[in-house]
Amino acid sequence: EVQLVESGGGLVQPGGSLRLSCAASGFTFSDHYMDWVRQAPGKGLEWVGRTRNKAKSYTTEYAASVKGRFTVSRDDSKKSLYLQMNSLKTEDTAVYYCARVDGDNKFTYDYWGQGTPVTVSS
Amino acid sequence: DIQMTQSPSSLSASVGDRVTIICRASQGIGNDLGWYQQKPGKAPKRLIYAASSLQSGVPSRFSGSGSGTEFTLTISSLQPEDFATYYCLQHNSYPITSGQGTRLEIK
Repeated sequence: EVQLVESGGGLVQPGGSLRLSCAASGFTFSDHYMDWVRQAPGKGLEWVGRTRNKAKSYTTEYAASVKGRFTVSRDDSKKSLYLQMNSLKTEDTAVYYCARVDGDNKFTYDYWGQGTPVTVSS
Repeated sequence: DIQMTQSPSSLSASVGDRVTIICRASQGIGNDLGWYQQKPGKAPKRLIYAASSLQSGVPSRFSGSGSGTEFTLTISSLQPEDFATYYCLQHNSYPITSGQGTRLEIK
């Protein structure tokens, strides 16, 4: 059974940093691209960033709103995905989801984690 | 960036109704589109991929159609468990973008 479990969310002050983790199980993690998607309170879904797999040299993509502040990384040996968030702003307050990219089906998301909440506030 | 315009933003319907949600892309995306259902406090769940392919395990009352710039999600006969928020996401180019969501409520 595929499982994605996020952790690391919490309350942080503006300008602070936080590192989110997503532990994967039940599939060959190293084969898949992985994304972070967030959802601000009462709002829709916003894509944050992507890490490709080893075959694609672990290259990354980012939304303009987080580029230069957030870093997506992965450790295939630990089957884990990470989101390092620096220089946090109040508008980064959201539930953060990791999502598995289904490369066989138009790169849509076939599995999601349960989400971890991040609150940026003084 | 590709803008995804989803309509309606909310919809009130009854059990047994047929409902259609529309998503329009600001430029052509082929069939690189997914539809997702989200219930309160839960993660989204994929219903449709490649615009019209039904996710395994999803009831056949859900269907998707379209290509290019206009896409539809249809629920042929609403069931109580279908009351949720629905999102379209384009997976054609970066940044990946989403429609604003359609909140489907019980009439």
